[in-house]
Amino acid sequence: DAGVTQSPTHLIKTRGQQVTLRCSPKSGHDTVSWYQQALGQGPQFIFQYYEEEERQRGNFPDRFSGHQFPNYSSELNVNALLLGDSALYLCASRAGTEIASYFGPGTRLTVT
Amino acid sequence: QKEVEQDPGPLSVPEGAIVSLNCTYSNSAFQYFMWYRQYSRKGPELLMYTYSSGNKEDGRFTAQVDKSSKYISLFIRDSQPSDSATYLCAMSADSSASKIIFGSGTRLSIRP
Repeated sequence: DAGVTQSPTHLIKTRGQQVTLRCSPKSGHDTVSWYQQALGQGPQFIFQYYEEEERQRGNFPDRFSGHQFPNYSSELNVNALLLGDSALYLCASRAGTEIASYFGPGTRLTVT
Repeated sequence: QKEVEQDPGPLSVPEGAIVSLNCTYSNSAFQYFMWYRQYSRKGPELLMYTYSSGNKEDGRFTAQVDKSSKYISLFIRDSQPSDSATYLCAMSADSSASKIIFGSGTRLSIRP
């Protein structure tokens, strides 16, 4: 049983560009959340998707947007990249009735 | 002031020692308390979670929650070099533990 998978593994972008990160949840999971983890910090909640809608959002600007597809996979889009957006972006999934969230390995984004 | 405070360490102990990791928090609405382990360049891995106050044991790991003091702990018995990692405490106020607030993590090293 594959766990949460994310692509790409690493990404280098230039300031002002746009980026799309992808996540496939663990089998049987229907809820996907995205987190940003800066170096030496804990993950910060960006938003959560369930039934293809954004259900909760953390303290992130509108440059951060997402989407969930009918197969429960999800994308995170970041527009107008800033140097400060450089971080590890983590996707977490869970089944709607469970408490435990399972994280993927992350996508490391570097903005130059 | 951060909602969740965690000593970043690093903490270095000899193999076989008992390790105590701690977090304090300020939001009295938190009701789910979790501990994640994160190896270098990997996503966080859920170790255990508890609901409200009390103790929970799972093998060599014991989690304690004291809501009156807003203080949680993770104890690791018979520590092994493979336990060397960053340990993140995490909490959630909503009933489905959807939005998780993380501490900054404690880096732990177990010396053989």
